[in-house]
Amino acid sequence: NAGVTQTPKFRVLKTGQSMTLLCAQDMNHEYMYWYRQDPGMGLRLIHYSVGEGTTAKGEVPDGYNVSRLKKQNFLLGLESAAPSQTSVYFCASIEGVGAKNIQYFGAGTRLSVL
Amino acid sequence: AQTVTQSQPEMSVQEAETVTLSCTYDTSESDYYLFWYKQPPSRQMILVIRQEAYKQQNATENRFSVNFQKAAKSFSLKISDSQLGDAAMYFCAYRSTDNTDKLIFGTGTRLQVFP
Repeated sequence: NAGVTQTPKFRVLKTGQSMTLLCAQDMNHEYMYWYRQDPGMGLRLIHYSVGEGTTAKGEVPDGYNVSRLKKQNFLLGLESAAPSQTSVYFCASIEGVGAKNIQYFGAGTRLSVL
Repeated sequence: AQTVTQSQPEMSVQEAETVTLSCTYDTSESDYYLFWYKQPPSRQMILVIRQEAYKQQNATENRFSVNFQKAAKSFSLKISDSQLGDAAMYFCAYRSTDNTDKLIFGTGTRLQVFP
């Protein structure tokens, strides 16, 4: 059981380049999330999805787009990368609303934008 | 909007001793969940312990326990019998019951454990 898998693990981009981060979960979870982690700021929510075909903005959505075409995948896109997007990106998923449910996290993607 | 504050950027403890990490939060909600996550150098986020706000009893998980003070909006983590493997970043997180299940994180506390 792989859980939450993020691809790639590391990436270096030049300013203005585009890329897509892939998050895949094999737990049949309904909800998925993208966070970014910066030094001294903890994890901040970028976008999230409460089901296949749905997406919503989080706390820091500017410069990012997402898609949830399949239930198991949640894609995070950077159309024109900027140095301010240098960060570690985490994907998470959860079965759904419920007191006992917890978020499962991927191992993170370290992105550097030069 | 809810906020989570961790006022201790770094803490240290000797092996086998006890350490307490602080967390305060702000919310107008009466029902919510609180979590402590551990992030070792591998970057993997690991759930340590969670607390449901409607439960008065403090959660415990082996050597980890919390002191949940709802009126004071305080949620501290106590690690007993500290081990070298406890060295990590620890994040306090808040989850509302608004059907989005999104987490709001504090800025983290780096815990060092000395032999």
